[in-house]
Amino acid sequence: GENVEQHPSTLSVQEGDSAVIKCTYSDSASNYFPWYKQELGKGPQLIIDIRSNVGEKKDQRIAVTLNKTAKHFSLHITETQPEDSAVYFCAAPAPGGGYNKLIFGAGTRLAVHP
Amino acid sequence: AAGVIQSPRHLIKEKRETATLKCYPIPRHDTVYWYQQGPGQDPQFLISFYEKMQSDKGSIPDRFSAQQFSDYHSELNMSSLELGDSALYFCASSRPGVYEQYFGPGTRLTVT
Repeated sequence: GENVEQHPSTLSVQEGDSAVIKCTYSDSASNYFPWYKQELGKGPQLIIDIRSNVGEKKDQRIAVTLNKTAKHFSLHITETQPEDSAVYFCAAPAPGGGYNKLIFGAGTRLAVHP
Repeated sequence: AAGVIQSPRHLIKEKRETATLKCYPIPRHDTVYWYQQGPGQDPQFLISFYEKMQSDKGSIPDRFSAQQFSDYHSELNMSSLELGDSALYFCASSRPGVYEQYFGPGTRLTVT
């Protein structure tokens, strides 16, 4: 089945710096890759996603890039702010599951220091 | 904008008791997903429903069952609770034919 690996597990940056989180997936048929932000005590919040027919997508300070050949995708956060501190999860759909179940990476705990 | 509603938000049960978690999807969302998240872990898919029919099944114990009702809300029934069932349980919903899943705030289940 689909396997999603996420690195790093923790990331500490200074306010204003950039942060990059990387994920790899195993199923070449996967075609949808969301990123979720989870704050303490809250549910995962969909912050950006990308489909396999594009290589990059931006939304203000966040962007996602996709390399289908290498089967990896990355989240880029620029001009980080303390409120960006959270756990970030990448995900990919499980093979054969259509657009149903998502397989999540293990998560990256991002700390942005003022 | 309306979000996914889950109830209760917190639940404390003893071993071998039963629990029922409820999920109300975003209006006009017809697909509901249940995930379990242990401490410090990523969400694990349990089960999903599309148009009131089970559409996919993950690592859901036989002690658990779920259904989706005519108004699209869903309930997760958990019996013979074990200490290891203590976790956050999230419901997510999506619109017909789209990938994006939106998560609720979760129910924190504690089994003592």
